[in-house]
Amino acid sequence: DVKVTQSSRYLVKRTGEKVFLECVQDMDHENMFWYRQDPGLGLRLIYFSYDVKMKEKGDIPEGYSVSREKKERFSLILESASTNQTSMYLCASSLPQGALDTQYFGPGTRLTVL
Amino acid sequence: GEDVEQSLFLSVREGDSSVINCTYTDSSSTYLYWYKQEPGAGLQLLTYIFSNMDMKQDQRLTVLLNKKDKHLSLRIADTQTGDSAIYFCAEMNAGNMLTFGGGTRLMVKP
Repeated sequence: DVKVTQSSRYLVKRTGEKVFLECVQDMDHENMFWYRQDPGLGLRLIYFSYDVKMKEKGDIPEGYSVSREKKERFSLILESASTNQTSMYLCASSLPQGALDTQYFGPGTRLTVL
Repeated sequence: GEDVEQSLFLSVREGDSSVINCTYTDSSSTYLYWYKQEPGAGLQLLTYIFSNMDMKQDQRLTVLLNKKDKHLSLRIADTQTGDSAIYFCAEMNAGNMLTFGGGTRLMVKP
């Protein structure tokens, strides 16, 4: 079974703090994704990576950056956290299979920025 | 850009069938997915359908796709309390990127 893990289930930070969210997958997947989930808005793609050291902006990259130094690990960074970044953050990974790029999700990190 | 829409809430009684609907706008969709999210958990892939199919059945789940109207539905037969969750539809475009709907919260009453 594919396993995608995230470093924290719950996180509370203060405005202006630097925040790191870590995601690790154990299935040698090439693609990794970071989404945020907000009520009524579904999942919105922040950044994705299709290979080590490669990254692409998603739909809402502002205020975020990412790092992919190793294939199994994809980090989301909030350089200076703001209250509007309070959200549930979901990481996913997939193995490129043409059109059937099924994404497997981690359990999520609920971040609260005070 | 692409848009995927779902109703926010559905309530059914245990044992009844549930039908969750989804509409999308991208005519280049290749695959369409249904994900389930239980409280406090991540998203779990339930089923998917290729865009040139109109129906797929998997045990209690039936997916219907009307490509002309860009309408996707998920029917859950004999709905159980354990089916209470948020259900997301998602469409994959020609660039292999997913666009998710806002999620439908299914509540199953005993």
